[in-house]
Amino acid sequence: NAGVTQTPKFQVLKTGQSMTLQCAQDMNHEYMSWYRQDPGMGLRLIHYSVGAGITDQGEVPNGYNVSRSTTEDFPLRLLSAAPSQTSVYFCASSPLSWDNEQFFGPGTRLTVL
Amino acid sequence: RKEVEQDPGPFNVPEGATVAFNCTYSNSASQSFFWYRQDCRKEPKLLMSVYSSGNEDGRFTAQLNRASQYISLLIRDSKLSDSATYLCSGGYNKLIFGAGTRLAVHP
Repeated sequence: NAGVTQTPKFQVLKTGQSMTLQCAQDMNHEYMSWYRQDPGMGLRLIHYSVGAGITDQGEVPNGYNVSRSTTEDFPLRLLSAAPSQTSVYFCASSPLSWDNEQFFGPGTRLTVL
Repeated sequence: RKEVEQDPGPFNVPEGATVAFNCTYSNSASQSFFWYRQDCRKEPKLLMSVYSSGNEDGRFTAQLNRASQYISLLIRDSKLSDSATYLCSGGYNKLIFGAGTRLAVHP
């Protein structure tokens, strides 16, 4: 099993550009989530999904959209990138729910100029 | 105020030392709690869950104090390889992380 994969590993955007961060897992996990990590702020929950077709907002959802059309994939869309969205983005998955062990992907380092 | 807060450190300790991290949570309805370990420029990985009665895994002991709303992690006989950032987490219907505490173990 590849576990949780994220693409790209690195990305540089200009302010106003849009892009999609990809996340996929091959463990048939129901629960998936997106976090951003900034120095001094730790991991902050952006959006999460309890299964295909179901998503909900986390702590810092503004500026991001998600969808979950399949169990395997949970893409994160930045609609109009801003410098404040410069961060490291981690996708995570869990067999059932938020209160099981979370398996994290390797992260995407995003810089918005 | 963040829902889960912890001392950012860094904690600089010699090999063999005992070090303790505390983490407080503000939502009294929080149910499940965990400690994750994150190495530099890597993804977090589960270190251990935190059970109400306290639990131990080798040199690591985790405890939960619901009355005071904090969880703790004790590391005994620190090793160089324990150097990392330790993230506490908990929540009610979603998992919230603290900012992490950095530990540096030196010879």
